[in-house]
Amino acid sequence: QVQLVESGGGVVQPGRSLRLSCAVSGISFSTQAMHWVRQAPGKGLEWVSVISYDAKNIFYSDSVRGRFTISRDNSKNTLYLQMDSLRTDDTAVYYCARGGGVLAGYCHYWGQGTLVTVSS
Amino acid sequence: QSALTQPASMSGSPGQSITISCTGTNSDVGNYNYVYWYQQHPGKAPKLIIYDVTNRPSGVSNRFSGFKSGNTASLNISGLQAEDEADYYCSSYSSGSTHVLFGGGTRLTVI
Repeated sequence: QVQLVESGGGVVQPGRSLRLSCAVSGISFSTQAMHWVRQAPGKGLEWVSVISYDAKNIFYSDSVRGRFTISRDNSKNTLYLQMDSLRTDDTAVYYCARGGGVLAGYCHYWGQGTLVTVSS
Repeated sequence: QSALTQPASMSGSPGQSITISCTGTNSDVGNYNYVYWYQQHPGKAPKLIIYDVTNRPSGVSNRFSGFKSGNTASLNISGLQAEDEADYYCSSYSSGSTHVLFGGGTRLTVI
């Protein structure tokens, strides 16, 4: 059974940090790229970041570059997103998604998302 | 960097066919075959329905098909069913500063 389970969301004040996790089971993890995609309340999907299977290639959207850090632990089948200097416009449901071999936006399997609310 | 352009909403009757467009530039849709389509029902996670412009993942109905011409990709849904009522998003690799772009989404209503 394919499972991607995000955790770590919650309410945080502007300027603070939060770390999201995504535990993957039932599918290959260590050989595929992984993405974070977010969706603000009532809005569309926004791609956030991707990491290659070996963590050697990493890309970020313009809106989070310099503030967010993606990482992975292949021994734990877990993906992370360290979010620093959070802003109110970072409020969204954050989804992790398993990609493919090419870092091109292919998101085959998705988690159910974790809500991050940035508010004072 | 701008998102890909999709119509905000479309509607169709059961049994009809509809085509949702997704317009980008020659830095994304027009120059790469890395175009994806996702279906999202309210309160649910997105589901991949088309990858690499024309391919369907296993288990996705063959009523869904994708194609591309120039800078515009399109998703065709034939034989509309009530269960097709959802939001649809296109996505593409981009050689610009943001590696992957999404469209703004199209809300499909089956009336």
